[in-house]
Amino acid sequence: DVKVTQSSRYLVKRTGEKVFLECVQDMDHENMFWYRQDPGLGLRLIYFSYDVKMKEKGDIPEGYSVSREKKERFSLILESASTNQTSMYLCASRWNYGYTFGSGTRLTVV
Amino acid sequence: SQQGEEDPQALSIQEGENATMNCSYKTSINNLQWYRQNSGRGLVHLILIRSNEREKHSGRLRVTLDTSKKSSSLLITASRAADTASYFCATDLNNAGNMLTFGGGTRLMVKP
Repeated sequence: DVKVTQSSRYLVKRTGEKVFLECVQDMDHENMFWYRQDPGLGLRLIYFSYDVKMKEKGDIPEGYSVSREKKERFSLILESASTNQTSMYLCASRWNYGYTFGSGTRLTVV
Repeated sequence: SQQGEEDPQALSIQEGENATMNCSYKTSINNLQWYRQNSGRGLVHLILIRSNEREKHSGRLRVTLDTSKKSSSLLITASRAADTASYFCATDLNNAGNMLTFGGGTRLMVKP
């Protein structure tokens, strides 16, 4: 079975900290995505990557960066965490037609 | 940006009843997909319907697609308490490369 693994289910960080959210897929997929999900706002695309070292901004990239040094790993970086980045973060990779999602990381910034 | 819009936003039914959720979208699509999300978890792919298909079945799920009206519906028959979740439609647009666009979701509660 295909798998997308997000390193943490729950994370609590302090304002101003640099935060790394890790996502690993075992399917040799080229396309990977980071979303955040907030009540009433649905899924919003932060960044995506269509190959190693390639990245594209999504709808809400401000305050975030990404890294894709290896095909299987796509990292989301919060350069200086703020309370408005408290959210559920979802990573996904794309197979032929659809996405496989990770279980999500609920990040709280205090 | 959201292309698909689901309605209703929330739906509450009794076990055994059918649940119907609708999705509307704005531009031409290659296919439309439905996903399910249990509370606090990631989304799980349920079913895909291509733009040249009108209806598709998978177990208790039935999906229809009307490209002239730019709408789709997901029917869950004989619902169970375990079907309680949020359901999202996602469109694979003609010009969006490999990116899906998700709707806001329908929260379904099935009461035992």
